[in-house]
Amino acid sequence: QSALTQPPSASGSPGQSVTISCTGTSSDVGGYNYVSWYQQHPGKAPKVMIYDVTKRPSGVPDRFSGSKSGNTASLTVSGLQAEDEADYFCCSYAGNNNYVFGTGTKVTVL
Amino acid sequence: QVQLVQSGAEVKKPGSSVRVSCKASGGTFTTSTVTWVRQAPGQALEWMGRIIPVLGIPNYAQKFQGRVTITADKSTSAAYMELSSLTSEDTAVYYCTRGSGTYSGIWGQGTLVTVSS
Repeated sequence: QSALTQPPSASGSPGQSVTISCTGTSSDVGGYNYVSWYQQHPGKAPKVMIYDVTKRPSGVPDRFSGSKSGNTASLTVSGLQAEDEADYFCCSYAGNNNYVFGTGTKVTVL
Repeated sequence: QVQLVQSGAEVKKPGSSVRVSCKASGGTFTTSTVTWVRQAPGQALEWMGRIIPVLGIPNYAQKFQGRVTITADKSTSAAYMELSSLTSEDTAVYYCTRGSGTYSGIWGQGTLVTVSS
C-alpha cells in the first residue's frame, strides 16, 4: 500500500486561506468516504481535525474544512492563525480493514 | 476524559523484539478501535494495524504482516503491540490511538523505540 501524496509544504499569511491536497487512488481515497486529517505540532502527538472527509470533531474550529473530488481529498484552513503552523497528515481507508497515511505537509504561517 | 498512557522508551538490539503497552485511563476501550501508528524521525505517520478489543480480532498492514502482533485485554482496558526482528529502520515513536473505527480521536503520548547495536 503506497502512501498518499501530499505537497511537502504550504504557506500563507495570517488571515489567508491555505489548501492541502491528498492524492490517492480509486482503491483508497476515491473508493471510500473515510478520509481524516491530523495536525501535529513538533514533539506532540497528532490531533484529528477532520474525519469522514468533511466532519469536524467537537472543539475543532470551523476554520478547518475538508472535501473530496475523485481520488483527491483536500483540507482547507481559512483565516490562518499562528497556531495553525504545524504538520498535517491525511489518512484514508484502503479496504480490507487497512488504512494508509499521506506523506505529510508542513504548513508555515508567514 | 479518556487518556491513553503508553509504556516508556525502549532501546533494543537488532534482531530482538519489543512490546509496547497502552492503557486507557479514565475510561475503557469498550467497542472502540485501538490502532497502532508509528513515526520514524522526521518522517510521516505510518499505519501498522488495529484491533477491536471487544472482538479481539486484529488487522495488520501488509508491510508488517508476520512481524507484528496486536492484542488487547478488555478486562484491564489495555492494548499491546509487539514487533519482532527489529532493525534500525524500526527506530520510531510508536503511538496507540483510540477511535470510532474510521479515525483516531485519542492518541497516547507515544513511545520511542530505538534499535541500535
